[in-house]
Amino acid sequence: QKEVEQDPGPLSVPEGAIVSLNCTYSNSAFQYFMWYRQYSRKGPELLMYTYSSGNKEDGRFTAQVDKSSKYISLFIRDSQPSDSATYLCAMSYGTGGFKTIFGAGTRLFVKA
Amino acid sequence: DAGVTQSPTHLIKTRGQQVTLRCSPKSGHDTVSWYQQALGQGPQFIFQYYEEEERQRGNFPDRFSGHQFPNYSSELNVNALLLGDSALYLCASSSGTGTDTQYFGPGTRLTVL
Repeated sequence: QKEVEQDPGPLSVPEGAIVSLNCTYSNSAFQYFMWYRQYSRKGPELLMYTYSSGNKEDGRFTAQVDKSSKYISLFIRDSQPSDSATYLCAMSYGTGGFKTIFGAGTRLFVKA
Repeated sequence: DAGVTQSPTHLIKTRGQQVTLRCSPKSGHDTVSWYQQALGQGPQFIFQYYEEEERQRGNFPDRFSGHQFPNYSSELNVNALLLGDSALYLCASSSGTGTDTQYFGPGTRLTVL
């Protein structure tokens, strides 16, 4: 069993839709939870960063962490074609990139 | 302020050869991590350097080695290349203290023929 599971998609939605992306994990020692966006042939770009359980909102993006269920989510409101990318969830035991484990990534297509 | 830079952008090698990839961290960062990202997969942690020493290592063979210089830049070396080493190699920098997360460079795409 992988430490982090993420549905690879692809997920295709119309412009303006609410997008829900999810990951599950098996190791309860993870304390830091991140979402990265990666455009084709580029490096990952940090979108959201959450410590422990709870919600965090930044503009159109909301990250949720449920440590009791070992489940994290990223919601994108009013999705735009420019949101089309691969979204990677990531988790670590400590800060500064200490042993970060990534999911496989979900490919998202937002149709105009 | 320059972000994380990596060189070269692309590289083609043949099996059995050796390769060196380079990374300069974001200004103010002193920790460099290297990742391998195969096509359609998430990045896999190779190792992390801090204060010129390897601090953490993932499940990669000894063919993968690295180095960090006093200016915090880093090199990733891969010996005896295999076809399966073809991937995007990502460098990420972060601060050794505090709660900063890591910032990624654009990657080096390595093709092994």
